[in-house]
Amino acid sequence: GQSLEQPSEVTAVEGAIVQINCTYQTSGFYGLSWYQQHDGGAPTFLSYNALDGLEETGRFSSFLSRSDSYGYLLLQELQMKDAASYFCAGEMDSSYKLIFGSGTRLLVRP
Amino acid sequence: NAGVTQTPKFQVLKTGQSMTLQCAQDMNHNSMYWYRQDPGMGLRLIYYSASEGTTDKGEVPNGYNVSRLNKREFSLRLESAAPSQTSVYFCASSDGSGQGGEKLFFGSGTQLSVL
Repeated sequence: GQSLEQPSEVTAVEGAIVQINCTYQTSGFYGLSWYQQHDGGAPTFLSYNALDGLEETGRFSSFLSRSDSYGYLLLQELQMKDAASYFCAGEMDSSYKLIFGSGTRLLVRP
Repeated sequence: NAGVTQTPKFQVLKTGQSMTLQCAQDMNHNSMYWYRQDPGMGLRLIYYSASEGTTDKGEVPNGYNVSRLNKREFSLRLESAAPSQTSVYFCASSDGSGQGGEKLFFGSGTQLSVL
């Protein structure tokens, strides 16, 4: 079947680095996206990996390994405002059908 | 620039009632989507429309119908609401270039309660 697995919750300290992992099982996989959602808000796009390797956007980086069906989101210099839920998402069956993981809630401690 | 606009923001229905959730985007996007999000869970795709005039089922289409009225508008209809359809509904749109990496823009959501 098609699925993306993430840890349900991660806790880190302000100023630290945190990694949120995502493993997937799917056919016709195009690439892996990451979205951020604050409580009560709508998801917003963070990054996309079509190819293996690391993509960097400011404090956020995203990594993909197709051979391992695995990716991660790396957040550096954590700030309190980064406390949110983070979702990985993949395009399945070579279509526009974007499927989301169940999300990782990031807690940031002072 | 409004982006993706959903109406209503809140709705309470009784079991068996029907309603339509409206969604419009002003970014000239080809693709539009409806997702539902239950507490503590990810987004599950209900239906999507890759382009004007086409619609396809997502992961959880049962109990819903959609209409892609034109390029801007994509509505979601609940014909006979059930308590299991209590959820937050998000509409989204994307460029739909077909090159992969669809960047979805989401509306602010509709919180629906079915009693």
